[in-house]
Amino acid sequence: GEDVEQSLFLSVREGDSSVINCTYTDSSSTYLYWYKQEPGAGLQLLTYIFSNMDMKQDQRLTVLLNKKDKHLSLRIADTQTGDSAIYFCAVGNSGNTPLVFGKGTRLSVIA
Amino acid sequence: GAGVSQTPSNKVTEKGKYVELRCDPISGHTALYWYRQSLGQGPEFLIYFQGTGAADDSGLPNDRFFAVRPEGSVSTLKIQRTERGDSAVYLCASSSAGLAGAGANVLTFGAGSRLTVL
Repeated sequence: GEDVEQSLFLSVREGDSSVINCTYTDSSSTYLYWYKQEPGAGLQLLTYIFSNMDMKQDQRLTVLLNKKDKHLSLRIADTQTGDSAIYFCAVGNSGNTPLVFGKGTRLSVIA
Repeated sequence: GAGVSQTPSNKVTEKGKYVELRCDPISGHTALYWYRQSLGQGPEFLIYFQGTGAADDSGLPNDRFFAVRPEGSVSTLKIQRTERGDSAVYLCASSSAGLAGAGANVLTFGAGSRLTVL
């Protein structure tokens, strides 16, 4: 089955850019997602990208997709202390088939 | 409702007991998902419903776990003879994606039910 891998921890200084990386195994995945989880809360969708796109930008967030290498990244510009959370990469297909999640990357922002 | 609601938010039980966890999805969302999140892990798929029927229950770990959605809205996850290894946060999500629809499957998650088995 699909396997989604992420590094577990990332620490950055406030104001710097954060880059969170994700790799996946199923090349037929058509949609790739980034979710954010703050302590004690459910997962919140940040953004997603369709597999025929290389890049998607949404305010401070930039998603890059390298479909050949099955590599997805999330860049957060001007990282703030409020961005401290766990970020999950997830992949899926069209329709309502379930998403497969990575283990999450814990982002710590140092003031 | 405005969001996905899960009850209880916390449940502490003893080994061997029966537990029910409830999920109230966003009104009109036909697809409903149960995931389990253990400490330090990502959400792990358990089961999902399209309407009243379970479209895929391949993630249920064993026959102690069962879920229903009798009227196509509220769902209940049932765990029999609980074990300490069942301790986790059980997440429910819903989406408006159709069975063979086009487009992204945007899941909206509830805050989860934290189950602790002593």
